[in-house]
Amino acid sequence: GQQLNQSPQSMFIQEGEDVSMNCTSSSIFNTWLWYKQEPGEGPVLLIALYKAGELTSNGRLTAQFGITRKDSFLNISASIPSDVGIYFCAGQLTGTGNTPLVFGKGTRLSVIA
Amino acid sequence: DGGITQSPKYLFRKEGQNVTLSCEQNLNHDAMYWYRQDPGQGLRLIYYSQIVNDFQKGDIAEGYSVSREKKESFPLTVTSAQKNPTAFYLCASRERGGSLEQYFGPGTRLTVT
Repeated sequence: GQQLNQSPQSMFIQEGEDVSMNCTSSSIFNTWLWYKQEPGEGPVLLIALYKAGELTSNGRLTAQFGITRKDSFLNISASIPSDVGIYFCAGQLTGTGNTPLVFGKGTRLSVIA
Repeated sequence: DGGITQSPKYLFRKEGQNVTLSCEQNLNHDAMYWYRQDPGQGLRLIYYSQIVNDFQKGDIAEGYSVSREKKESFPLTVTSAQKNPTAFYLCASRERGGSLEQYFGPGTRLTVT
């Protein structure tokens, strides 16, 4: 099936640092979603984006829907230990109606105190 | 509180036995999904259902079966034909049309020995 290229695959950062991760595709999306998954739990929806160029914040998290509609970015400012987890991007391909979301393979974030 | 429940959290079975995983939602969502997650891996779609009494195969449907007799319930049966059933199973749901925000349950970890 369709793939989203999510990078980086993993990150090790110091507490207090800012984090940036992204998802890219050769296809056009009309929705981007960002999730966080903690060990042994289900993914939790962080931010949803619906328009090209849209920039949305949720606390220290900021996500953007790329202008080309083929990519999205998630930034975390001033990271803290509880930011540890796997972050997934997901998108709805344009013109596909209600077909399932396409998911990236995740970015594993580790925060060193 | 609205949400998705999966039970049990941990499930152990002997090889050769069928096992059914429960997923219930009270969000009044039409669409429901089952994903499989292996250690350190992303989400792979097993089956999905857009409406009651209808469902479609995902990317890895072999060895699994589902039913959708009620809007709020979408059980997944892992059959003995599934060669590597040990995994973390996640159920999700979302509205059909309108908001494309998809929500996940807490997951069931199945161990088959």
